[in-house]
Amino acid sequence: EAGVAQSPRYKIIEKRQSVAFWCNPISGHATLYWYQQILGQGPKLLIQFQNNGVVDDSQLPKDRFSAERLKGVDSTLKIQPAKLEDSAVYLCASSPWSPAAEQFFGPGTRLTVL
Amino acid sequence: GNSVTQMEGPVTLSEEAFLTINCTYTATGYPSLFWYVQYPGEGLQLLLKATKADDKGSNKGFEATYRKETTSFHLEKGSVQVSDSAVYFCALKIQGAQKLVFGQGTRLTINP
Repeated sequence: EAGVAQSPRYKIIEKRQSVAFWCNPISGHATLYWYQQILGQGPKLLIQFQNNGVVDDSQLPKDRFSAERLKGVDSTLKIQPAKLEDSAVYLCASSPWSPAAEQFFGPGTRLTVL
Repeated sequence: GNSVTQMEGPVTLSEEAFLTINCTYTATGYPSLFWYVQYPGEGLQLLLKATKADDKGSNKGFEATYRKETTSFHLEKGSVQVSDSAVYFCALKIQGAQKLVFGQGTRLTINP
């Protein structure tokens, strides 16, 4: 079974530029998550989708971050404009729709903002 | 609020040493508890979990017991190997929710 796919793996941009990350979850997983992992910290949930609807985006900085999952499958996370403090690893995870279900994580995208 | 506090790293041990990584939590409600591991260059993987008080999760020689009275979920292994070198994250999930709340992670290095 294929795992969660993310691209790109690495991205370097200058502050005020825009960037987008892509995630393809495990086939059949209804729930998709984007986490931000700043160096030296644990992952923090940015947004959770159930199919193509948003379940939780309480910690998403909505003035600069946006995310979509239009067909309930793959998802895109965008930052516009980027700030230095956005440098982090962005992790995508997916799971079946159940509070008891295990989340499966992708390898992450490492973003460096200069 | 809900939070997880882990033992500060990095932790460096010799092969075959005994390992303990401390984890305590604060939660509203009754959480499930997890340990995730992140090997170099790879994504987070679930290592073990426990869903109720006094449950013991175990996998690959690692164990952790859900202690409600001390709000702890310490990770232990009797004899570590070089291949156990990784970053370990303690996490909780509140009952009825899917969101994971992670600790800050502990980097473990095992020397031969």
